[in-house]
Amino acid sequence: AQKITQTQPGMFVQEKEAVTLDCTYDTSDPSYGLFWYKQPSSGEMIFLIYQGSYDQQNATEGRYSLNFQKARKSANLVISASQLGDSAMYFCAMREVMDSSYKLIFGSGTRLLVRP
Amino acid sequence: DTAVSQTPKYLVTQMGNDKSIKCEQNLGHDTMYWYKQDSKKFLKIMFSYNNKELIINETVPNRFSPKSPDKAHLNLHINSLELGDSAVYFCASSLLQIRTGYYGYTFGSGTRLTVV
Repeated sequence: AQKITQTQPGMFVQEKEAVTLDCTYDTSDPSYGLFWYKQPSSGEMIFLIYQGSYDQQNATEGRYSLNFQKARKSANLVISASQLGDSAMYFCAMREVMDSSYKLIFGSGTRLLVRP
Repeated sequence: DTAVSQTPKYLVTQMGNDKSIKCEQNLGHDTMYWYKQDSKKFLKIMFSYNNKELIINETVPNRFSPKSPDKAHLNLHINSLELGDSAVYFCASSLLQIRTGYYGYTFGSGTRLTVV
């Protein structure tokens, strides 16, 4: 069975500094995808970044980058130049293929607090 | 223009009642989902529909019945509500075939259900 582990329940970072949120995964499927979502206090789930297992380069989206280490089965999210608005829950997720559909398996989340 | 919209955003109801949550997507996606987020913020899939056909049913009690009148809509009806049903319910949609790197996996803003 696929599994996603986020070992940091909570983290602090100083505004304008970079922060890394950890995510490890476990799967026997050679084709998989990894997602990061942000959930602010307002509750919505905001897609941040995606990495496919066959992608040669680490994914980047603006201030977000994904440090993908396939051999170590880790997909850490790096947020550069943290902003106060980055304070939120962050979820790592893995895509699992099921018949004619996909489901996302989520980690337990990391609550990030950005200090001014 | 909202991509995945859910109504209502908040729902407070008494035990034993029957309630429905509606979801609509205007992204042209062919697959829709219901996820449940519990009080500890853990997210788990409940159902998935592809072109109005039920694909995933993750051991959800029979009191929960999804209905998809067309591929742009997926509603969730809950009978005989129990205290343990209190949670945030997210609708999501995606593409089955890869056209974007992340299959366009997009979540609605969530419905916070409180059973009293």
